[in-house]
Amino acid sequence: GAVVSQHPSRVICKSGTSVKIECRSLDFQATTMFWYRQFPKQSLMLMATSNEGSKATYEQGVEKDKFLINHASLTLSTLTVTSAHPEDSSFYICSARGQGQGAATNEKLFFGSGTQLSVL
Amino acid sequence: QKEVEQNSGPLSVPEGAIASLNCTYSDRGSQSFFWYRQYSGKSPELIMSIYSNGDKEDGRFTAQLNKASQYVSLLIRDSQPSDSATYLCAVTRGYNKLIFGAGTRLAVHP
Repeated sequence: GAVVSQHPSRVICKSGTSVKIECRSLDFQATTMFWYRQFPKQSLMLMATSNEGSKATYEQGVEKDKFLINHASLTLSTLTVTSAHPEDSSFYICSARGQGQGAATNEKLFFGSGTQLSVL
Repeated sequence: QKEVEQNSGPLSVPEGAIASLNCTYSDRGSQSFFWYRQYSGKSPELIMSIYSNGDKEDGRFTAQLNKASQYVSLLIRDSQPSDSATYLCAVTRGYNKLIFGAGTRLAVHP
């Protein structure tokens, strides 16, 4: 099956610093990538939808200036948490959908392994 | 009202029993429905997808969909301790967004 690589798997940083998380589709071209955040014992909350070559679409309540998303190529999307604070500590997960995988058929999403962010 | 609602559990069943997980959703326009399994600290993995009313079976798993009632369920037959995990119901919103429920924690005890 398709593989989505997410890096780093775990990061600890000081408050006020910025953290970049990478999400790569290894064997397919990901026209759309999604970024989710998950707090302990809670569900995956969709943060934003990222399409290659265009600006990301953010969900209501998600600060686009704080969570910078770049989808510069068909295989790479990055999420940068700027000026991170302890309340940003969470499990961040990316997922990707390849070309030709539309919502009308099999919308199988391929998930990255997640990044556990801890802000001190 | 949450878009996708699930009982958080935990749902505790003995090994070999049938585990029944339920989910309701609010958007009548949703077309596709999924069940994911998630172990602690890991990403979700797809268990089942269902698109039309009725039942869909895959091995020990059966997904049931009732669009009129906006209800989708997952049955796990012959539950095993390795099935112990959080099960996430997910529903499409619009063309391509996938919205998750909070998950039901399943505990299968020997």
